[in-house]
Amino acid sequence: ETGVTQSPTHLIKTRGQQVTLRCSSQSGHNTVSWYQQALGQGPQFIFQYYREEENGRGNFPPRFSGLQFPNYSSELNVNALELDDSALYLCASSPGQGANYGYTFGSGTRLTVV
Amino acid sequence: GESVGLHLPTLSVQEGDNSIINCAYSNSASDYFIWYKQESGKGPQFIIDIRSNMDKRQGQRVTVLLNKTVKHLSLQIAATQPGDSAVYFCAESRGYQKVTFGIGTKLQVIP
Repeated sequence: ETGVTQSPTHLIKTRGQQVTLRCSSQSGHNTVSWYQQALGQGPQFIFQYYREEENGRGNFPPRFSGLQFPNYSSELNVNALELDDSALYLCASSPGQGANYGYTFGSGTRLTVV
Repeated sequence: GESVGLHLPTLSVQEGDNSIINCAYSNSASDYFIWYKQESGKGPQFIIDIRSNMDKRQGQRVTVLLNKTVKHLSLQIAATQPGDSAVYFCAESRGYQKVTFGIGTKLQVIP
């Protein structure tokens, strides 16, 4: 059984640029949730995808967008990067929409905006 | 590796002692609670969960206590080991929807 894989592990971007982060779900999982974790903080919910549809969104602006593919892998896109977007971006997959199904987290992508 | 524990409350315990990590949650409508462990350079890892119709649940070396009256959760770790050193987050959910994480507590185990 494979876990959740995120790529890249580290990334440096310039303010104003766009970035795409990728997540491969654990086998058998149809739901992906994305979180942003600033240094020294708890993860903050960005959005969740269930069977290719957005299924809930946190308090993040529209320049944060996502996709889920038929194989349940997912992308997080951030446009017009700002310095405050520097954070660890975590992807979690689960076998169902609800938190009670259990989230499996990847190790994250560390994004630095300069 | 990078640290996720900067500026977090820190609990230092002697190896072999019991640890108690406390958490105040914010939403009185939350009905499902989870404790996660996050080691440096890794994503959060599920430890134990509890539903709002329970006040205690035990796992292997861990116990979660829930006090809905004061919106308080605690995680007890028995016989703390060096491998328990990490940042611990409580998290809450309402209707099993999005999981909202708390601030986190850094646990340091002194050998």
